Amino acid sequence: QSALTQPPSASGSPGQSVTISCTGTTSDIGGYGYVSWYQQHPGKAPKLMIFEVNKRPSGVPDRFSGSKSGNTASLTVSGLQAEDEADYYCSSYAGSGLVVFGGGTKLTVL
Amino acid sequence: QLQLQESGPGLVRPSETLSLTCSVSGGSIRSGSFYWGWIRQPPGKGLEWIGSIFHSGSTYSNPSFRGRITLSVDTSKNQFSLQLSILSAADTAVFYCARWLLPVAGSGGLFDYWGQGTLVAVSS
Repeated sequence: QSALTQPPSASGSPGQSVTISCTGTTSDIGGYGYVSWYQQHPGKAPKLMIFEVNKRPSGVPDRFSGSKSGNTASLTVSGLQAEDEADYYCSSYAGSGLVVFGGGTKLTVL
Repeated sequence: QLQLQESGPGLVRPSETLSLTCSVSGGSIRSGSFYWGWIRQPPGKGLEWIGSIFHSGSTYSNPSFRGRITLSVDTSKNQFSLQLSILSAADTAVFYCARWLLPVAGSGGLFDYWGQGTLVAVSS
């Protein structure tokens, strides 16, 4: 069970869009439609932003969207705002009750 | 509003066993198809899933921990617990408890409620 692969960093200017990738295998992302994304501000607990690849919990702005193609999932943040600056983690179900997280991506709003 | 709160020692000695408890309030630990999980985050590093338990006692654990994990649940207290044995400095981390929805029929696979986390340092 290996961690999912995310770029360590991403950045964009206010109002722009940025996409963060999350690459796994056929044993996790590619095999299941259960990808979720979490936002974590410094010193805080992670917050669920996207679940089941592309669904948003109540209260999460529609600027956040998710997608999946093959073994790679993506999180897109449109209309970047200063408060979007945070660490973002992807997660996937890996079958038989197992869960795997990505290494995290630090999003900087320039 | 569901709330989770971790409790346990802030400092543990190497080779000893860590015991953490997560207290759930604002809802029953026996409700629905929810599992209750543990995730850890070493300082400055990413999230790592440790394991999850159902109120019946059914568990799933990360194989990377090689049998060092014991999960338990106390429905009478609305709590669940983690024991991690044979600690080393590499186990120093913030430990989070969270509610996990087991994937079933196209739905689930998410941690929707999280505790605030508790920092555990392993040091002599």
